[in-house]
Amino acid sequence: DAGVIQSPRHEVTEMGQEVTLRCKPISGHNSLFWYRQTMMRGLELLIYFNNNVPIDDSGMPEDRFSAKMPNASFSTLKIQPSEPRDSAVYFCASSTDRERYNEQFFGPGTRLTVL
Amino acid sequence: AQSVTQLGSHVSVSEGALVLLRCNYSSSVPPYLFWYVQYPNQGLQLLLKYTSAATLVKGINGFEAEFKKSETSFHLTKPSAHMSDAAEYFCAVISSGGYNKLIFGAGTRLAVHP
Repeated sequence: DAGVIQSPRHEVTEMGQEVTLRCKPISGHNSLFWYRQTMMRGLELLIYFNNNVPIDDSGMPEDRFSAKMPNASFSTLKIQPSEPRDSAVYFCASSTDRERYNEQFFGPGTRLTVL
Repeated sequence: AQSVTQLGSHVSVSEGALVLLRCNYSSSVPPYLFWYVQYPNQGLQLLLKYTSAATLVKGINGFEAEFKKSETSFHLTKPSAHMSDAAEYFCAVISSGGYNKLIFGAGTRLAVHP
């Protein structure tokens, strides 16, 4: 199994530009999570999808952030317009929902730098 | 509401020494608990999890953790540290909400010295 795949691994952009992060979950997993990791705030859950439907987006910081999951094998997290304070590592994770203790499998992350 | 506290943001040990990383949880329901490890420039990887089957849980790379309800603790241990254990370690608890939302601790960075 290839694991959770994220692209790009690194992204450097200028303030005001649109940024799109991509995630391919593990085949057969029906739960998908987007996280943000910073030194100041640690790991934060941004949004949770189940069966391609957004269930909990309470962690999305503001309207500049949006996420979609058009099918079971692909999700995007978009920031428009980007700001320097969005600089962070963004992780995608997937799991199944058969049991509440099923672990989440994390991708390698996308390191975003907004200049 | 569930929460996790990791005592010590940085722990330093010598190679071959005991590793002890502390985690205390708060939960209104029987908890499901996890330890994840993050190596530099990588995502999080599951070390072990507690699902109420056994209080002593063995994980990968020689790590284990013991669930102690009376102390609300789930400390991570390894008898002998290796240089390759240097990483950041996160304790997490499943939220009591309707899905397997993880509540993470702040993390403990482990340094291993020769």
